[in-house]
Amino acid sequence: EVQLVESGGGLVQPGGSLRLSCEASGFTFSNYWMRWVRQAPGKGLEWVANINEDGSKQSYADSVKGRFSISRDNTRNSLSLQMISLRAEDTAVYYCARGPNLDTWGQGTLVTVSS
Amino acid sequence: DVVMTQSPLSLPVTLGQPASISCRSSQSLVHSDGNTYLNWFQQRPGQSPRRLIYKVSNRDSGVPDRFSGSGSGTDFTLTISRVEADDVGIYYCMQATQWPLSFGGGTKVEIK
Repeated sequence: EVQLVESGGGLVQPGGSLRLSCEASGFTFSNYWMRWVRQAPGKGLEWVANINEDGSKQSYADSVKGRFSISRDNTRNSLSLQMISLRAEDTAVYYCARGPNLDTWGQGTLVTVSS
Repeated sequence: DVVMTQSPLSLPVTLGQPASISCRSSQSLVHSDGNTYLNWFQQRPGQSPRRLIYKVSNRDSGVPDRFSGSGSGTDFTLTISRVEADDVGIYYCMQATQWPLSFGGGTKVEIK
């Protein structure tokens, strides 16, 4: 079964940092682009970042550029999102999703930025 | 950036009746490779999004055939032929033709 499991969310103060992880199973991870998408409480979906199959190319939404960094470890079937200089508006559930057209999603991990 | 506009915002439907959701893009979604990367997602209450339809009209595995997608260029529609209680949730269209990918604002389907 294809599965994505996110972890690492929590409560962090404004200006703080957090690292999210996404563990993949049930498919050949190294064959797929991966993306992070977030959803603020009660709001719609917002693309955050993506990374190509071998990790050599990343791209980011303007709202997180320079503060977030996406990476992957194909030996561990793992995707990460390093977040620094967090702001209240980064509060959201963060999902990892497979492929350029998001055919599979994880269950999400909640990040709350608040003092 | 491509702006995706969905309507209506809210869609009350009677069980067993059809429902249609419109999604319009600010630019053509036809990719240079000839494909149109317009996808539809369902998000049931308290759950993660789930893809229903990819490339305008292709149903994902396990998606009931009462869901169908249609359209071309900048104008797309998701249709539920006979709404069931299980279909309650928010539906999003998403384009992956042009960078950055973008989502519609969502349409909430509820039972009357």
